[in-house]
Amino acid sequence: DVKVTQSSRYLVKRTGEKVFLECVQDMDHENMFWYRQDPGLGLRLIYFSYDVKMKEKGDIPEGYSVSREKKERFSLILESASTSQTSMYLCASESQGASTDTQYFGPGTRLTVL
Amino acid sequence: GESVGLHLPTLSVQEGDNSIINCAYSNSASDYFIWYKQESGKGPQFIIDIRSNMDKRQGQRVTVLLNKTVKHLSLQIAATQPGDSAVYFCAGRAGWGKFQFGAGTQVVVTP
Repeated sequence: DVKVTQSSRYLVKRTGEKVFLECVQDMDHENMFWYRQDPGLGLRLIYFSYDVKMKEKGDIPEGYSVSREKKERFSLILESASTSQTSMYLCASESQGASTDTQYFGPGTRLTVL
Repeated sequence: GESVGLHLPTLSVQEGDNSIINCAYSNSASDYFIWYKQESGKGPQFIIDIRSNMDKRQGQRVTVLLNKTVKHLSLQIAATQPGDSAVYFCAGRAGWGKFQFGAGTQVVVTP
């Protein structure tokens, strides 16, 4: 089974802090994604990566950056956390060119910024 | 712009009945769709997928129907059980484009 893990299930930070959210997948997937999930809005794509050291902006990249130094690990960074970034953050991975295009999700990190 | 949406925010269903959850999409180029189940406090779980060259696909107690003419898909859950209580949402993509996700329908199973 595909496993996507995220470093924290719950996180509470203060405004202005730098926040790191880590995601690791064990299926050698090329593509990895960071989404945020807010009530009534569905999942919104923040950043994605198709390969090591590659990154692409999603629909809402402002206030975020990412790092992909190794194929299995994709980190989301909030440079200076704000209360508007309180949300559920979901990491996903998928394989390129496989018989299925399914994205597999981690358990999520619920971040609260005070 | 592109959008994927569900018709109802909450669906209440009696245990043992069948559930039908609907989803509409706007991009006629969308050719791959997934239904996810998300239980409280957990990440989304893959349920079933369907490609645009199919109208129907069946899994264990679940069936997805795709109507490309009206850009609509549905998820049917047979003999709904308490463990089916969750938020269900659809996702669609065109080729290798980004997935567009619906906001979700909360399914509440009553005894």
